[in-house]
Amino acid sequence: QQQVKQSPQSLIVQKGGISIINCAYENTAFDYFPWYQQFPGKGPALLIAIRPDVSEKKEGRFTISFNKSAKQFSLHIMDSQPGDSATYFCAASTGGYNKLIFGAGTRLAVHP
Amino acid sequence: DVKVTQSSRYLVKRTGEKVFLECVQDMDHENMFWYRQDPGLGLRLIYFSYDVKMKEKGDIPEGYSVSREKKERFSLILESASTNQTSMYLCASSFGTASGNTIYFGEGSWLTVV
Repeated sequence: QQQVKQSPQSLIVQKGGISIINCAYENTAFDYFPWYQQFPGKGPALLIAIRPDVSEKKEGRFTISFNKSAKQFSLHIMDSQPGDSATYFCAASTGGYNKLIFGAGTRLAVHP
Repeated sequence: DVKVTQSSRYLVKRTGEKVFLECVQDMDHENMFWYRQDPGLGLRLIYFSYDVKMKEKGDIPEGYSVSREKKERFSLILESASTNQTSMYLCASSFGTASGNTIYFGEGSWLTVV
């Protein structure tokens, strides 16, 4: 049973465009929502994270939008660059040693 | 920088073999995790450990066991490897018990069982 649903599976964006990846969750006890970025041959690395008491968090070109009532959150990559081409995972956790539940992943390709 | 090191990056094993995947972290983290990554399924938690000799099952523990004899080292054991265990295995570590502490991943171990 997948507690965090992520879409789309893959995404192609032109350089300079906006990449949007969406996630939905069911467990209202989740209190931490990170996004991880994974390049080929590497392990995932934390990109940006949000808690449910805020609706948006921005770090450079990366923004998380959070909708608590809809139980959805999304990653927006502004001015997408070829170097952003990677697989992105959303995740969620609730206390207990920060065990993360991951979405299925989105493979992003940014074309020059 | 936090470093999580998985000593074996690529392994090919035969069905029925016993397989050990080793992981070492250098940040004195209490928590260590083993995840399995498969296309379309994301990362799924196999086991985690919150202290030396302590372990708890994750979402997909069947066919796996773990060992944590020292704080910095966490081993994943496939008692009798099967072809459906062909996958990428990721080790991770984190500090403390609170939700929100960053989890740091190793670079992964690609296991092929033939």
